[in-house]
Amino acid sequence: DIQMTQSPSSVSASVGDRVTITCRASQDIRKWVAWYQQKPGKAPKLLIFAASNLQSGVSSRFSGSGSGTDFTLTISSLQPEDFATYYCQQANSFPITFGQGTRLEIK
Amino acid sequence: QLVESGGGSVQPGGSRRLSCGASGFEFDNFEMNWVRQAPGKGLEWISYISSSGNTIYYADSVKGRFTISRDNAKNSLYLQMNSLRAEDTALYFCARSPKGGHSYYPWGQGTLVTVSS
Repeated sequence: DIQMTQSPSSVSASVGDRVTITCRASQDIRKWVAWYQQKPGKAPKLLIFAASNLQSGVSSRFSGSGSGTDFTLTISSLQPEDFATYYCQQANSFPITFGQGTRLEIK
Repeated sequence: QLVESGGGSVQPGGSRRLSCGASGFEFDNFEMNWVRQAPGKGLEWISYISSSGNTIYYADSVKGRFTISRDNAKNSLYLQMNSLRAEDTALYFCARSPKGGHSYYPWGQGTLVTVSS
């Protein structure tokens, strides 16, 4: 199975900050990574697919990059509604696997 | 839109059938998945079914106990869960994926299954 290792597991930041979350795959998954945002009690929301493609309706503050084994999600200028938990997911092969999550908290 | 139902409390060793109703899109053009989240934990993919229903995959944690199926005429996805264990306690989400892709949008709101004596 492909392991997805996210870092950091939690981060504190302020409104207006730029934040980067990384995800490392245990083997080459080309560009097949998705990123999700989840707020408490809610379903995950797709932000980025195929490593760098912004899902329709998602703010351009969010961007993704990477290929092979190393991927990043960047939020360019944090807004209050961005404080949530973020997950990466490998979409290359079954079994589909998720990172353990990164909790983004208000400083 | 996706709407799950069928969650509830069940004793260890028991069974439960979850349903996911789809609307607003051509259900038979999309692949479908079940993903679960134990309380306070991360996301775990558990099963996939192709648009026709001919291709199915399971996570090892549920293989042999859970069965995914779909009825394209009824725009519905199902998850039959047997031999339930305490570790199956989770919020179960259905999620759509495009043909040939495995990013999930949209997701249902989830239905909670609690396995406890």
